[in-house]
Parts: sequence; structure tokens; C-alpha cells
Amino acid sequence: QVQLQQSGPGLVKPSQTLSLTCAISGDSVSSNSAAWNWIRQSPSRGLEWLGRTYYRSKWYNDYALSVKSRITINSDTSKNQFSLQLNSVTPEDSAVYYCARDPNTQRKFDLWGQGTLVTVSS
Amino acid sequence: QSALTQPASVSGSPGQSITISCTGTSSDVGGYNYVSWYQQYPGKAPKLMIYDVSRRPSGVSDRFSASKSGNTASLTISGLQAEDEADYYCSSFTSTNSYVVFGGGTKLTVL
Repeated sequence: QVQLQQSGPGLVKPSQTLSLTCAISGDSVSSNSAAWNWIRQSPSRGLEWLGRTYYRSKWYNDYALSVKSRITINSDTSKNQFSLQLNSVTPEDSAVYYCARDPNTQRKFDLWGQGTLVTVSS
Repeated sequence: QSALTQPASVSGSPGQSITISCTGTSSDVGGYNYVSWYQQYPGKAPKLMIYDVSRRPSGVSDRFSASKSGNTASLTISGLQAEDEADYYCSSFTSTNSYVVFGGGTKLTVL
């Protein structure tokens, strides 16, 4: 059974870096068909796609324009997981963050992590 | 505000059918057949219900169907059941640099 398990802190101070990890079981972060995504959800912004990483003979990353200057998504093949780093956070970045699989890079998300509520506050 | 427009709420009685609309532009909904629909219960992650405009993943009830006309996609739920009460979100591939855009969500109430 394919699962995504998220981990990371639920409280981050303003101007610091938000870091979350998504561990994959039952699939591979190095899959030649899937893409691994981060999506967040807040009352003010709704669902917002943040970015993705995928492997097609080499690693690729795509990021939403709204966070492109602050975001990094990395993969760790030894642990079969991928991670999100969002720098210089503000209270506007408070949201539930989800990792999600797009099985064939056609912008549908068939598998989601459990979600992590991240609050940006001092 | 969200890129795709959905009604904030819809309601229906058990056994009835309801339709949720999702309006975008020719750069997203109207231009590509990559519209998806998600069901979300409070405190839970979204669940994929429809992809590629009208395809159902394995395990999704055939009471859920969807279509698209021009820049508007629609999700229809027939034979409403109490368990269908949830939030529903549409999404679409977009030719802008956002890659994926979502609707603002529709709260379905089963009366």
C-alpha cells in the first residue's frame, strides 16, 4: 500500500525557515513516471500548489511563482523521501501543508500525506 | 482569491442529484483536459474523485461524474448520500507558470 508520511515542526518563527519531510512507502521518489509535490491550504489562500520534484534520468524541480524565490524541494533517495524548505516565512505562510503524488505528471494528485499544520508565530 | 471559480455552497436531499461548477479560462479549464475534482472531509487530506475531466479512479463510486464545456467544468453527484457531505475542489493544469490552479471549494450539504 502506497503511503506518504509527513514530518516536521508545527511552529516556525517569522523570518525563519519552514522545513517538512515526506517519506514514501510503496513507491519510489526516483520513479520515472511520478512527480512529488507540496501543496498548502489556508482559509485565506485556499489550496495552493507550491512545487514539485521528479526524476527523468536527472532531477527536475518546478516552483510556483508566488514562492519561487523562497522555496527549495529536495529528494533523498537513500531514505526514499522528499522535503520542503520555505525561507523567510511570515504569518501569511501559516497553513496546512500537504505532500502529494502526481502519478504521471498530468497535474492530478492521487495520493496525499496526512497534512501538517504549520503556524508562523513568534 | 482562487484562480478557478466555484460556488461557495450547494445542497441537496438524499437521493437527489447536484452539480458543482468550476469556471476558469482558456489558459486552464478551457484549454486542457486536465481537470480534476477532489473531495475533502474536515481535518482530512483531499481525495481524488475525478481526473482528466471525466475519469474516475478505481474505487470511486459511479455516482460521481464530471464533464467540461468551454471554460467551465462540472461535477455531478447523483443519488446523494449523507456521506457525500464534504468540501469539493476542482483543479486544472494551467499554461501560466503556476502549473496547477485550484478552485476555492464548494461545501456540499446533504439536507
